[in-house]
Amino acid sequence: EDKVVQSPLSLVVHEGDTVTLNCSYEVTNFRSLLWYKQEKKAPTFLFMLTSSGIEKKSGRLSSILDKKELFSILNITATQTGDSAIYLCAVEPGNTGTASKLTFGTGTRLQVTL
Amino acid sequence: KAGVTQTPRYLIKTRGQQVTLSCSPISGHRSVSWYQQTPGQGLQFLFEYFSETQRNKGNFPGRFSGRQFSNSRSEMNVSTLELGDSALYLCASSDPPSGGATGELFFGEGSRLTVL
Repeated sequence: EDKVVQSPLSLVVHEGDTVTLNCSYEVTNFRSLLWYKQEKKAPTFLFMLTSSGIEKKSGRLSSILDKKELFSILNITATQTGDSAIYLCAVEPGNTGTASKLTFGTGTRLQVTL
Repeated sequence: KAGVTQTPRYLIKTRGQQVTLSCSPISGHRSVSWYQQTPGQGLQFLFEYFSETQRNKGNFPGRFSGRQFSNSRSEMNVSTLELGDSALYLCASSDPPSGGATGELFFGEGSRLTVL
């Protein structure tokens, strides 16, 4: 069965800090790994990673995938209070010719304080 | 472009009742997926519909069912509600690329179900 484990479960940082969120996974026939941000209810897409070692970057957020060690990290630099949210990691298995479904981790709850 | 719309946003039911939740995807999106979110389990995949056909199903009992209409709108139904069905039910739409990949999911605000 596919599995995604995120760490830490929660953390509190001060505005301006840099944080690293971790995601390890076990999946049959890997296709992609995705990061989502959930502030209130609707998760919003951050990144999709398919290849090892290629960093995806969007503003202060960046992410990288290691397909050999089966993990990904999400970095947030110069954190702001608006970064407070639950960060979800998900993996998509690849089944040739059929649709796939996402397996999510339970998320990391980030709180950024002033 | 309007986002994913889910109705109702909140509902309270009692054990044994049944409930139907509705999801209208982003215009042009052909795939609708449903997820259950609970504090302990996180988001768990229920099922996915594409062009009115169920393409994939998660590990939920048969009390959970769904369908998709020709306009891509989707409904999910839970019969014989149990206390453990209390959760946030999220719908997501996507326009999958070729090869069966899921593609980026666009989530709705969810339907918060409380079972008493």
